Amino acid sequence: GAGVSQSPRYKVAKRGQDVALRCDPISGHVSLFWYQQALGQGPEFLTYFQNEAQLDKSGLPSDRFFAERPEGSVSTLKIQRTQQEDSAVYLCASSLPLGVVNEQFFGPGTRLTVL
Amino acid sequence: AQSVSQHNHHVILSEAASLELGCNYSYGGTVNLFWYVQYPGQHLQLLLKYFSGDPLVKGIKGFEAEFIKSKFSFNLRKPSVQWSDTAEYFCAPSPTGRRALTFGSGTRLQVQP
Repeated sequence: GAGVSQSPRYKVAKRGQDVALRCDPISGHVSLFWYQQALGQGPEFLTYFQNEAQLDKSGLPSDRFFAERPEGSVSTLKIQRTQQEDSAVYLCASSLPLGVVNEQFFGPGTRLTVL
Repeated sequence: AQSVSQHNHHVILSEAASLELGCNYSYGGTVNLFWYVQYPGQHLQLLLKYFSGDPLVKGIKGFEAEFIKSKFSFNLRKPSVQWSDTAEYFCAPSPTGRRALTFGSGTRLQVQP
């Protein structure tokens, strides 16, 4: 498809497990964003890439969260030693770098449940 | 302190009623303003955006929003809602120069046929 895809769509982890969430942005989109959306809340920014460079990681809640985009396309968000408070929907978005701010196209999200 | 405030958390309307959803922000500088919508079972998608120029912005599906700088507001309006407008609406006023979006907590709109 032509949109942003994310996998898995659902992930259940036991507390303490590591998880990896994948994002495939729209082809040609230079910018990639990760957001965390807790139940009943709006998405909150985690981190931002331009190509392979991680330009902003100010939203990552702890050093257990790590994101990478080694070849400037697919990105992986990794959460180590998951905690119950990590339960949320993790959204990926991509955009073209035309100007400073542009429309971000969102994927369906990965719903993470930590037991 | 929360930077974005969406006053209405859950709104229930009958078809053909008029809609106004409030959005206020607390940034001191210039902002880029967005409304996103999430229909049931679907992705977040852009409804409309404002960067500069005419403060009355028209978006998809008959929605519009007005930027009132003195009130730090960007309220969303639609003169006559339809059942298909049932969705969650997110305001995202983001400081100019910041690429990431800052979202409000969302308003769930339920339109009854």
